[in-house]
Amino acid sequence: NAGVTQTPKFQVLKTGQSMTLQCAQDMNHNSMYWYRQDPGMGLRLIYYSASEGTTDKGEVPNGYNVSRLNKREFSLRLESAAPSQTSVYFCASSGGETKPQHFGDGTRLSIL
Amino acid sequence: RKEVEQDPGPFNVPEGATVAFNCTYSNSASQSFFWYRQDCRKEPKLLMSVYSSGNEDGRFTAQLNRASQYISLLIRDSKLSDSATYLCVAGGAGGSYIPTFGRGTSLIVHP
Repeated sequence: NAGVTQTPKFQVLKTGQSMTLQCAQDMNHNSMYWYRQDPGMGLRLIYYSASEGTTDKGEVPNGYNVSRLNKREFSLRLESAAPSQTSVYFCASSGGETKPQHFGDGTRLSIL
Repeated sequence: RKEVEQDPGPFNVPEGATVAFNCTYSNSASQSFFWYRQDCRKEPKLLMSVYSSGNEDGRFTAQLNRASQYISLLIRDSKLSDSATYLCVAGGAGGSYIPTFGRGTSLIVHP
């Protein structure tokens, strides 16, 4: 049982480049989330999708877009990468509003 | 405004010690509570859910005090492998799909 799978695991971009981070879960969860975590800081929610067909902004959505492709997949896109977006990105899924989240093992993104 | 507060630590304890962490949450309507463990540069992993009656999983005991709005985690007989950051989470308030994570408490267990 793979749980939550993120690709790629590492990526280096130049300022202005675009890329999409992929996330897929096989737990039949309705809700999916994208977080970023910077050194010495907590998790910050970028976007979430409470259920297939819906997406909403979190705490730090600027510079990002998301797509809930189907129930399994939730992608995060950086249209024009900036050095401030250098971070570790975690995708998570949950079976409901009172259920725990399960995290992927992260994408380490550096923007030069 | 931070809704879940934790002492960042670090807590330095010898192997075999008992250590306790507390966490306070501000939203009294929170319905669900969890402790996660996060190793350096790794993803958070669910350690245990926290129930109103308290619950135990091996060396780990979690308690919830709704009146005072705090959650605790007790680790008995600490192991070197328990060294990590422990995240407290409160969620489900008003049907919200967004849980609130604390910033974590760092634990270092030394020989």
